[in-house]
Amino acid sequence: DAKTTQPNSMESNEEEPVHLPCNHSTISGTDYIHWYRQLPSQGPEYVIHGLTSNVNNRMASLAIAEDRKSSTLILHRATLRDAAVYYCILRDAGYGGSQGNLIFGKGTKLSVKP
Amino acid sequence: GAGVSQSPRYKVTKRGQDVALRCDPISGHVSLYWYRQALGQGPEFLTYFNYEAQQDKSGLPNDRFSAERPEGSISTLTIQRTEQRDSAMYRCASSLVRGIGETQYFGPGTRLLVL
Repeated sequence: DAKTTQPNSMESNEEEPVHLPCNHSTISGTDYIHWYRQLPSQGPEYVIHGLTSNVNNRMASLAIAEDRKSSTLILHRATLRDAAVYYCILRDAGYGGSQGNLIFGKGTKLSVKP
Repeated sequence: GAGVSQSPRYKVTKRGQDVALRCDPISGHVSLYWYRQALGQGPEFLTYFNYEAQQDKSGLPNDRFSAERPEGSISTLTIQRTEQRDSAMYRCASSLVRGIGETQYFGPGTRLLVL
């Protein structure tokens, strides 16, 4: 499975934008970029995913580099509730057998200061 | 609506005992996943089902671990002859169907402590 590299931790101030980077230099053409986050004492929750184009949803935006070797999750206005571990995951578009499993790394622990 | 539920939420057992962990997925969800999560780490994939068929069990650590989903709904993860190294949070997730754009919904987990 392709690997991702994320900073161990980041800090943000409440109501400011947050840019969470992810490097995936060995990404293949069939890998989708998925982001999940895990709030304290909870299970992970889906945030967003994309292939090549930038994506927006109600939770966040995903900016994907033109060469796809890096991406950035953007929280437009951080709230205290956004304090969580954010996981950047490459997921193969093939879904048979062991292809397409979510392989979590250690993620980035985001702290939000009031 | 109801999310994924797991039971028990906490389980303390003695080394050598068998344990069964239950997962009740969101109604109508075809795909069901089991993960294990150690403290400070991300979840580690164990196995998954589509309906009642176990599609991939490559993440199960050894043959003491098994899972079933006989009627395509509730699933049980069984650990035989537990060892202290099995202590972890065991998480279940379900999705409408496995594929591109799939969202996995995770349950609250079962924290297992093997003494």
